[in-house]
Amino acid sequence: QSALTQPPSASGSPGQSVTISCTGTSSDIGTYNYVSWYQQHPGKAPKLMIYEVTKRPSGVSDRFSGSKSGNTASLTVSGLQAEDEADYYCSSYAASNTLFGTGTKVTVL
Amino acid sequence: QVQLVQSGAGVKKAGASVKVSCKASGYTFTGYYIHWVRQAPGQGLEWMGWINPNSGVTHYAQKFQGWVTLTRDTSISTAYMELNRLRSDDTAMYYCARTSYGPVLVVDYWGQGTLITVSS
Repeated sequence: QSALTQPPSASGSPGQSVTISCTGTSSDIGTYNYVSWYQQHPGKAPKLMIYEVTKRPSGVSDRFSGSKSGNTASLTVSGLQAEDEADYYCSSYAASNTLFGTGTKVTVL
Repeated sequence: QVQLVQSGAGVKKAGASVKVSCKASGYTFTGYYIHWVRQAPGQGLEWMGWINPNSGVTHYAQKFQGWVTLTRDTSISTAYMELNRLRSDDTAMYYCARTSYGPVLVVDYWGQGTLITVSS
């Protein structure tokens, strides 16, 4: 049960878009449509941004969108804003288990 | 309103055990699975396992099997996470998390976190 792989960092200027990848295997992301994305600001608990690959919880901006292709899921943040600067983690269901991604720090330049 | 209130921070000696509580309110405790997630300082999220508060059935990440015990007391709507044989690298923030997706971790509410520091 290895962690899902994310790039350590990503960045963009305000108004730009940034996409974060999350690579797993055929045993997790490749099999299940239960990929979630969490945003975490320093000192805070994570916040759910995307679930079931593409769904947004109530109250989450439509600037956040998710997708999946094969064993890789992606989170896109459009129209970057200062408050989007945070750590982002993907997670995937894998036969009663949950795997988290290694985390990506998004910086708004 | 839904709340998960965890027990306070603590310092433990290496080799000791710790038991963290997570008291639920504002909803039917037995209707939602509780997962436990930890985060070492400056590190990423690590999933530990889940408990079905209704049946008491548990499932642990392979790494934590035989080392972590998840329990619950439905009479007081509280879930517990006990970690044994603590080591310095168990120093972390421990979170309980509610999900309406059963064994699938889709967290709608998190506890505030409990910082456990393990000293040698």
